[in-house]
Amino acid sequence: QKEVEQNSGPLSVPEGAIASLNCTYSDRVSQSFFWYRQYSGKSPELIMSIYSNGDKEDGRFTAQLNKASQYVSLLIRDSQPSDSATYLCAETSGAGSYQLTFGKGTKLSVIP
Amino acid sequence: GAVVSQHPSWVICKSGTSVKIECRSLDFQATTMFWYRQFPKQSLMLMATSNEGSKATYEQGVEKDKFLINHASLTLSTLTVTSAHPEDSSFYICSVLRDGYEQYFGPGTRLTVT
Repeated sequence: QKEVEQNSGPLSVPEGAIASLNCTYSDRVSQSFFWYRQYSGKSPELIMSIYSNGDKEDGRFTAQLNKASQYVSLLIRDSQPSDSATYLCAETSGAGSYQLTFGKGTKLSVIP
Repeated sequence: GAVVSQHPSWVICKSGTSVKIECRSLDFQATTMFWYRQFPKQSLMLMATSNEGSKATYEQGVEKDKFLINHASLTLSTLTVTSAHPEDSSFYICSVLRDGYEQYFGPGTRLTVT
């Protein structure tokens, strides 16, 4: 049974700080990793995808993947109150498998 | 990304009636769509995978005769909740698969069965 583990939080950071969200996964054949943001009462929104070891940056967001350690993280620089949401880590095994395995999510609160 | 719409955004129905939810891919042709539901404060639960022109693949524990899925075109998939009961009240969300790996979600449909 594949598992994706996240700290449920809440994680509180002051406005302008870096928020660091972490995720570990159990399946060594996992190939694709995703970070979704979900505001309360809304559907998830894809904010980052990463497939290769290393860092991937998009604006204030940086995803980091370490397949040897089975670890993926999301850094949010210059955190804003509007970043307050639940962040879902997800993975797929690829090779024709498109189904996402989600973590339970980390709730982030950015304090003004 | 991808632009996905759902209709209706919320619906209230009486116990025993059926409700149809539409999911549309607005900016590309989606061969594969997914249907999820989410209960309050819980994780997304995959209900079924829908491929255009073929029967949906349901997850274990999801009744295919109760949750009817039709993916009749590359831009439209529908979920019909038949003989709805209060325990079916939930947030139903569809997603589309793009570029083989990325899933983009619709805004969701909140169903309340009274």
